[in-house]
Amino acid sequence: KAGVTQTPRYLIKTRGQQVTLSCSPISGHRSVSWYQQTPGQGLQFLFEYFSETQRNKGNFPGRFSGRQFSNSRSEMNVSTLELGDSALYLCASSPQGREGNEQFFGPGTRLTVL
Amino acid sequence: KNQVEQSPQSLIILEGKNCTLQCNYTVSPFSNLRWYKQDTGRGPVSLTIMTFSENTKSNGRYTATLDADTKQSSLHITASQLSDSASYICVVNRPYSSASKIIFGSGTRLSIRP
Repeated sequence: KAGVTQTPRYLIKTRGQQVTLSCSPISGHRSVSWYQQTPGQGLQFLFEYFSETQRNKGNFPGRFSGRQFSNSRSEMNVSTLELGDSALYLCASSPQGREGNEQFFGPGTRLTVL
Repeated sequence: KNQVEQSPQSLIILEGKNCTLQCNYTVSPFSNLRWYKQDTGRGPVSLTIMTFSENTKSNGRYTATLDADTKQSSLHITASQLSDSASYICVVNRPYSSASKIIFGSGTRLSIRP
């Protein structure tokens, strides 16, 4: 099976712009989670989607949003970008999203905000 | 406050030597604890998962231990190889119904020198 794919791999934006990141989970996986990884904060949970519904949400402002499509592919959107949004954004998929299920991570999208 | 603390922040050892990475957590309630390996430029890959009733779990040269009473976990790497150079992240899951259910440590950066 193909692994989790994320596009684009690298992105450069300026403050105030918005950005959309895409994630394709492993075939058959219905849960997709998004994470932000920065050197100072480590990995932080953004949100989880399951069957097109947001099931869990981390402590991020409303500028961060996402959605999941019927084929389980997911997109994450960040509006009004700030310098502090520069990070590696990771997507992970799992079969059911329950805590016992292993999460499989994609390679990430490196976002740089200038 | 739910936290996961890892030590050391970084570690350099010679190829062939053993090492132990530490993880202390104050997360409650607790569901399970995972150790991930993250190579530079890639997403994390799960090494081990343990519930509160498990004391040890092995995956090849990687052995994780868990003491649920003291809320400490360790990851022991035996006969290190150059490919072990990576960041190792300790992750604690809270029960599924909890928001922001996943708590990540900031990781230990391990470098193996020939």
